[in-house]
Amino acid sequence: GNSVTQMEGPVTLSEEAFLTINCTYTATGYPSLFWYVQYPGEGLQLLLKATKADDKGSNKGFEATYRKETTSFHLEKGSVQVSDSAVYFCALIRPLQKVTFGTGTKLQVIP
Amino acid sequence: DSGVTQTPKHLITATGQRVTLRCSPRSGDLSVYWYQQSLDQGLQFLIQYYNGEERAKGNILERFSAQQFPDLHSELNLSSLELGDSALYFCASSGGGSSSYNEQFFGPGTRLTVL
Repeated sequence: GNSVTQMEGPVTLSEEAFLTINCTYTATGYPSLFWYVQYPGEGLQLLLKATKADDKGSNKGFEATYRKETTSFHLEKGSVQVSDSAVYFCALIRPLQKVTFGTGTKLQVIP
Repeated sequence: DSGVTQTPKHLITATGQRVTLRCSPRSGDLSVYWYQQSLDQGLQFLIQYYNGEERAKGNILERFSAQQFPDLHSELNLSSLELGDSALYFCASSGGGSSSYNEQFFGPGTRLTVL
């Protein structure tokens, strides 16, 4: 079956530090890959997505590249802000199949 | 605002009781998904409906059931509630309008507390 593995959190960074949150997946075929973000007390919001190999999704300074050869979709940001503090979920979706979420990685950015 | 609405926002009830959570998808979206988020289990997919029919099933207990109505809103029914059912329940929708087929839009959630 499909699976998504995210790095364990929490991740604590100082403001303006570089962020990487690792995500690897196992799936047959060609899934679409997503990063969702959940701010405290809110629902999940789509952050970025990539639907085919070598696609790069980007939004709000965050980027992730769909690497089929390494089955990865790592999330990166060059300079984090306190407002980026949230839980980040990597997800894998294939048409007509249930979505598979990672366990989430909590990011805390300190001033 | 994702366009997905969920009611109620908070629900407090006792063990053994039954509750109904309601979700209205984004305009034009045909698929509705239900998720349970608890501290120890993370985000768990429960069930998906597409245009009124069950499409995929995840880790949904037999005490739980859901349906999607002709107007595409969905309800999640939780019965014989246990303390461990306390969690955030999210609804998401997809499959319509300008979004890609697979992209899901999440509602704000219903926080269920079982005492």
